[in-house]
Amino acid sequence: AQSVAQPEDQVNVAEGNPLTVKCTYSVSGNPYLFWYVQYPNRGLQFLLKYITGDNLVKGSYGFEAEFNKSQTSFHLKKPSALVSDSALYFCAVIAPTSGYSTLTFGKGTMLLVSP
Amino acid sequence: DGGITQSPKYLFRKEGQNVTLSCEQNLNHDAMYWYRQDPGQGLRLIYYSQIVNDFQKGDIAEGYSVSREKKESFPLTVTSAQKNPTAFYLCASSDRDRVSSTYSGNTIYFGEGSWLTVV
Repeated sequence: AQSVAQPEDQVNVAEGNPLTVKCTYSVSGNPYLFWYVQYPNRGLQFLLKYITGDNLVKGSYGFEAEFNKSQTSFHLKKPSALVSDSALYFCAVIAPTSGYSTLTFGKGTMLLVSP
Repeated sequence: DGGITQSPKYLFRKEGQNVTLSCEQNLNHDAMYWYRQDPGQGLRLIYYSQIVNDFQKGDIAEGYSVSREKKESFPLTVTSAQKNPTAFYLCASSDRDRVSSTYSGNTIYFGEGSWLTVV
């Protein structure tokens, strides 16, 4: 089976502070990992993905994520949060060598950035 | 503009009625997907199609049907058999890796979603 856990339903951070949104995964084989963001009443927007190579992945809007194989994690980070970063964030995984051909999404984490 | 267009944005369904959600993409992507989003449950896959005239059931296909007669179109019908259809529905598409012929590492792009409410 492949699964994703986002252990926090909500993360609160003050503007200008660093933020972290956590994601852990469970797969057989090597994972491909994705982060998406969703603003209210909108579709999901792609932020970044890890396929192979450097464990630190840089994406859109100043976000980055670090793949940690030993901890089976792919946490999303940003050095300095903006109020406009407030949104719902989804982590997703696929492990094609395990026979899966579609992404599995986490339940999402609401990020609230206060002024 | 290139992208994925879903319509209508808001749809109301009466009990016992079938309704169809439209999804059109002009990205020339081979694969298309339908997801359902409920608060606190993330996204769940309903159906997906990797080629015209072929589609596969996802995790929650019961009460739904799809067709893929054209590459750019992947409509979703919510039938009367779906007992709890009120949700936000998201259509998505992705390209196929031309070397490996897989979709796994390729980014999935989403439409703006459609709200379906039972009245």
